[in-house]
Amino acid sequence: DQQVKQNSPSLSVQEGRISILNCDYTNSMFDYFLWYKKYPAEGPTFLISISSIKDKNEDGRFTVFLNKSAKHLSLHIVPSQPGDSAVYFCAASGGINDYKLSFGAGTTVTVRA
Amino acid sequence: GAVVSQHPSRVICKSGTSVKIECRSLDFQATTMFWYRQFPKQSLMLMATSNEGSKATYEQGVEKDKFLINHASLTLSTLTVTSAHPEDSSFYICSAGPVNPNTGELFFGEGSRLTVL
Repeated sequence: DQQVKQNSPSLSVQEGRISILNCDYTNSMFDYFLWYKKYPAEGPTFLISISSIKDKNEDGRFTVFLNKSAKHLSLHIVPSQPGDSAVYFCAASGGINDYKLSFGAGTTVTVRA
Repeated sequence: GAVVSQHPSRVICKSGTSVKIECRSLDFQATTMFWYRQFPKQSLMLMATSNEGSKATYEQGVEKDKFLINHASLTLSTLTVTSAHPEDSSFYICSAGPVNPNTGELFFGEGSRLTVL
């Protein structure tokens, strides 16, 4: 039962433009939502997260938006850079008392020069 | 951030043998460690949760007798794939907590690529 879903397996964007990655979830008990970046044969690297009490969190070029009523979050990367090309995973957890992560299927981002 | 290290990064073994993968938290005490596996172009699937000094909790469908997890200290957890078969070939990744309370972040190791011939 996939509780976190990323329905777009891939995204291609021109350098300098905005990348928008989407994620949906089904478990209303999730308290933290995270985005990880991953290269092949490496562990995931944390990018940014948002707690369920917020609707937006920004860190440099990365912004995550949370719409709890729709059980939807998105990651915006602007401007996109060639080094952003990687697989991006959306993940969610129950928070401090239940912090195991459930991952989406991932979205492969390719930034074209 | 905190550092989690896995060893070995790559291992090739013959079918029927056992392989041990280590996961260490280098600069913090990890009361809980998680083991994930990832097949090519797929998501990270949680296999089990291990708490220091107690038995691991396995996710549905994961054979506990095949994937032995030991978490004997606050800095080390091991995953042993017993009687490995080619279908066990995968990328195994560990993560450790406690989580960063400000971000919910778990810290991940570099992963271990297992190939069973």
